[in-house]
Amino acid sequence: AQSVTQLDSQVPVFEEAPVELRCNYSSSVSVYLFWYVQYPNQGLQLLLKYLSGSTLVKSINGFEAEFNKSQTSFHLRKPSVHISDTAEYFCAVSLSGGYQKVTFGTGTKLQVIP
Amino acid sequence: KAGVTQTPRYLIKTRGQQVTLSCSPISGHRSVSWYQQTPGQGLQFLFEYFSETQRNKGNFPGRFSGRQFSNSRSEMNVSTLELGDSALYLCASSLAGDSPYGYTFGSGTRLTVV
Repeated sequence: AQSVTQLDSQVPVFEEAPVELRCNYSSSVSVYLFWYVQYPNQGLQLLLKYLSGSTLVKSINGFEAEFNKSQTSFHLRKPSVHISDTAEYFCAVSLSGGYQKVTFGTGTKLQVIP
Repeated sequence: KAGVTQTPRYLIKTRGQQVTLSCSPISGHRSVSWYQQTPGQGLQFLFEYFSETQRNKGNFPGRFSGRQFSNSRSEMNVSTLELGDSALYLCASSLAGDSPYGYTFGSGTRLTVV
């Protein structure tokens, strides 16, 4: 079965500084990878996803993630964060092909400091 | 179009009682998944329903059950509530449960057991 690890439970960063949220997965077969964001008192929203093709995927609000098969990682990055990026971010993985259960990591709280 | 609607938003119950939570997926979505979210544990998969059939189930005791109606609306029930059942319960809908499409989450039901 697949699993996903987010080692950092909290990441504080100053506004306009770059940030990287780490995500590692384990699976012996092909996977799909996702990042979701959860703002306070809300459900999760899909931020970006990797299914196949280009290993670098981007969201509309400046985040990007790179699929690294050799390191089984899918780290999320943003070159310059804003206060509004303060939220909890969840990495998720599923096996590729047809219906597959999605497994979520434990989440990383990004705290942007003014 | 309307998003995923979960009712109620907040609930306080006493140990030993039972509770029913409701989820109305996006119109046209036939798959509904339920997750339990607690601090430090992330999202734990409860079960997934597709066309009124439970297609997948997580590792929760039999006190947790669910069902899906012909209009795709889903309910989950927790009987004999325990303090540890206090959590945010999230419902996610998708077109057919195929993970590439990603999930659309509701805002959740926050259950407090006292």
